[in-house]
Amino acid sequence: KAGVTQTPRYLIKTRGQQVTLSCSPISGHRSVSWYQQTPGQGLQFLFEYFSETQRNKGNFPGRFSGRQFSNSRSEMNVSTLELGDSALYLCASSNSRFLGNTIYFGEGSWLTVV
Amino acid sequence: KNEVEQSPQNLTAQEGEFITINCSYSVGISALHWLQQHPGGGIVSLFMLSSGKKKHGRLIATINIQEKHSSLHITASHPRDSAVYICAVRSLKETSGSRLTFGEGTQLTVNP
Repeated sequence: KAGVTQTPRYLIKTRGQQVTLSCSPISGHRSVSWYQQTPGQGLQFLFEYFSETQRNKGNFPGRFSGRQFSNSRSEMNVSTLELGDSALYLCASSNSRFLGNTIYFGEGSWLTVV
Repeated sequence: KNEVEQSPQNLTAQEGEFITINCSYSVGISALHWLQQHPGGGIVSLFMLSSGKKKHGRLIATINIQEKHSSLHITASHPRDSAVYICAVRSLKETSGSRLTFGEGTQLTVNP
């Protein structure tokens, strides 16, 4: 069974540009969540999608957005990139949005903003 | 003060030693996760606890809900255990299983 797949793994963008990151969850998993990891702030929850609906959102500006498709694949987008957006972006999937289910993480997408 | 505090921040051990990493939290929780992150970035979920104790191989995780404290133990440590270990909690207020609050992590290095 394939794990959570994130693409691209590494990318470099210029300040002001936008970026789209992709996440394919484990087959059969309908919940996809996104996290940002930086040296200064550690791991922080971005948002969660379940059945194409955003169920929860962390404390991030509106420049951070996402969506989920009918096949459960998810994308997140960051517009008007800032230097501080440089981070590891992690996606995770689980087979339910409810309590008591293990979360499976992808390898992450390393974003560098220059 | 962070809602989730881990100690120690850094830990160096010799192969074979017994290791303990601690996690304290300040909110009511419905679950606590122990995660392992290797240098490449990917994270593996080791345990999810809501009470008591769980064991998997050489890893043992315990939680005391009344004291708001959890520990991760590694018996007979090995260099391949070298990684960052992260404690994460899900607040009682959350209905989503994925909205977690994370500790800062413990960098473990096990020398041969």
